[in-house]
Amino acid sequence: SQQGEEDPQALSIQEGENATMNCSYKTSINNLQWYRQNSGRGLVHLILIRSNEREKHSGRLRVTLDTSKKSSSLLITASRAADTASYFCATVIIIQGAQKLVFGQGTRLTINP
Amino acid sequence: DAGVIQSPRHEVTEMGQEVTLRCKPISGHNSLFWYRQTMMRGLELLIYFNNNVPIDDSGMPEDRFSAKMPNASFSTLKIQPSEPRDSAVYFCASSKTLTYNEQFFGPGTRLTVL
Repeated sequence: SQQGEEDPQALSIQEGENATMNCSYKTSINNLQWYRQNSGRGLVHLILIRSNEREKHSGRLRVTLDTSKKSSSLLITASRAADTASYFCATVIIIQGAQKLVFGQGTRLTINP
Repeated sequence: DAGVIQSPRHEVTEMGQEVTLRCKPISGHNSLFWYRQTMMRGLELLIYFNNNVPIDDSGMPEDRFSAKMPNASFSTLKIQPSEPRDSAVYFCASSKTLTYNEQFFGPGTRLTVL
């Protein structure tokens, strides 16, 4: 089963609307990161939130973290066509003393002009 | 900075052939990661290095896969012999340290094994 699971798997909204994507995870984490992947490209780091933080902002991005519910959300405000991409959450977990970054399956976001 | 560089960008080969994927991490980054991405399995971590030393290769699917990092500026991922189920996009990423801050991804190599 996935350590990080995004919800929904796909989201389609109109330009200018806000987009919210959720991520749930199973084990204790060191930090949680969100990445964006445009079609045919590599992943690009968006924002990192540490386990002792509850909310973080970066431009039009707002990330929340609820460690009691083992969940995080990514909010993109005033969406633009260029925001069309897949968004992944990634969690840092420790397995046998080694840190690993584990990615979810992603949310495919489509912004309609 | 040119970012993480991967070559080739596309590779088409026949089953049984050896495939070598190459990666040049960002200068000054001490950690390097190899990932595989498919529609069915998503993004999987195959192996990662810290200071040129393999730390965790538990994600390498089979003995047909091997990875090396002979120096701080170069790594290879080799598949021998290749099989159709190895078809995927392979990404290399690097980060400054192993403490999992931001990872920088290359553009990927799209591998098709016929």
